[in-house]
Amino acid sequence: IAGITQAPTSQILAAGRRMTLRCTQDMRHNAMYWYRQDLGLGLRLIHYSNTAGTTGKGEVPDGYSVSRANTDDFPLTLASAVPSQTSVYFCASSEQGGYNTGELFFGEGSRLTVL
Amino acid sequence: GENVEQHPSTLSVQEGDSAVIKCTYSDSASNYFPWYKQELGKGPQLIIDIRSNVGEKKDQRIAVTLNKTAKHFSLHITETQPEDSAVYFCAASKGSYKLIFGSGTRLLVRP
Repeated sequence: IAGITQAPTSQILAAGRRMTLRCTQDMRHNAMYWYRQDLGLGLRLIHYSNTAGTTGKGEVPDGYSVSRANTDDFPLTLASAVPSQTSVYFCASSEQGGYNTGELFFGEGSRLTVL
Repeated sequence: GENVEQHPSTLSVQEGDSAVIKCTYSDSASNYFPWYKQELGKGPQLIIDIRSNVGEKKDQRIAVTLNKTAKHFSLHITETQPEDSAVYFCAASKGSYKLIFGSGTRLLVRP
């Protein structure tokens, strides 16, 4: 059972570099999400996509971009990484997006350190 | 926008005792309240959820209660076991994709 696959699992990155976190799901879910997890702050939504071809901004979108070219893939790009983007990033999916989203299925996370 | 506060940040209980985690939310229009459990090195996993038309929901040793008037909801775990040790997150949303999470509670069940 795969579900959500994230890559890389861990990465150290120099400030100013570009980085793409990959996320793939095999559940044919319509909606996908990117969250960041920081100690004491819980999980905060960065960007989401309710269906292939559409994306939207979450709580903390600045410095991040996403694309949703197909149902399965939802990459997150940091165009020019800064130390405040050091975090654990979780990709998630749900069967439906929009109203009555229901259960989110999370990947195992990508730990990113920006020096 | 919605704000969710979660207490306590850490909770230590003896195996077999009950554990209660509480959350308050700010937006009275919120109508969906899930709880997620996150084990070390894993992503969060849904354990129970409740919608605003229900006051309580149970699933074996886990229950969630909702007080819409006071805008708070709680997770109750009875007969705790060591495998219940994890970080628990509450969340709230207006039936939309924009779940707002609490800051998490680290639960330790002592054998």
